[in-house]
Amino acid sequence: QVQLQESGPGLVKPSQTLSLTCTVSGASISSGSYYWNWIRQPAGKGLEWIGRLYTSGSTTYKPSLKSRVTISVDTSKNQFSLKLTSVTAADTAMYYCARGESPDVFDIWGQGTMVTVSS
Amino acid sequence: QSALTQPASVSGSPGQSITISCTGTSSDVGGYNYVSWYQQHPGKAPKLMIYDVNHRPSGVSIRFSGSKSGDTASLTISGLQAEDEADYYCGSYAIGGTQIFGTGTKVTVL
Repeated sequence: QVQLQESGPGLVKPSQTLSLTCTVSGASISSGSYYWNWIRQPAGKGLEWIGRLYTSGSTTYKPSLKSRVTISVDTSKNQFSLKLTSVTAADTAMYYCARGESPDVFDIWGQGTMVTVSS
Repeated sequence: QSALTQPASVSGSPGQSITISCTGTSSDVGGYNYVSWYQQHPGKAPKLMIYDVNHRPSGVSIRFSGSKSGDTASLTISGLQAEDEADYYCGSYAIGGTQIFGTGTKVTVL
C-alpha cells in the first residue's frame, strides 16, 4: 500500500530555510492524478494547510505563506519537498505530508516530523 | 482566511450520539460540497473519516456520518465508543483553490 515518510532537520535557526522531504513508497509519484500536500500543526494547536503539488506539476499555496513556500517534486527519487524561507519561532510545528485524490481530501498521511525553529 | 469554527469540546456517554459543527462562510463550506472530517488520536497523524460532506472512505465505521446546511457542516458519531475519544478537525476547499481546516474539537467519552 502507499506510504509517506517525512524527513529533514529537526532544528532550524531563525531566518534560515526549512527544508523537508516526503518519500513516497508503494506507488509512483508521477502516475495517476494525485495531489501531494504539506500540512503543519503546532504543538497543542490545529492543522494548517501549507500547499499542494498536483501530478501535473502545478502548485497552490496558502496565501499567507505563498511568499515563503516552494513545493517541488523529484520523480527520480519518488519524493516531493517543502522549502519554507525566513523561518521564525511561529513556524515551529509538526509537519505532515499527505496525499489526496482530490484537492480537498487527504487520505494518506505520513507520520509527521517535528521541526523546531530556535537559535 | 480564518480557520473554520468548531466547538472546543463535545462529550457523550457510550452509546449516545454526538454532533460536531463546523462553521465557515460562503467562500468555503457554503460554497462547495467539499467538506472533510479527520480524526486524530494523541501523537498520531490525522485519519480521514468523511469526505465530500457525507462520503465515508472504505474501512470507516458507518457510525460516522456527515451533513451540511448553508455555511455549517456537521459530523455525527452515533453509538459512541471509547475508541472515538480523539480530536476531530473539519476541512473545506476554499475560494482560490486553497484548503482550510477547522479549529478542532476534543471529543470525550464519559
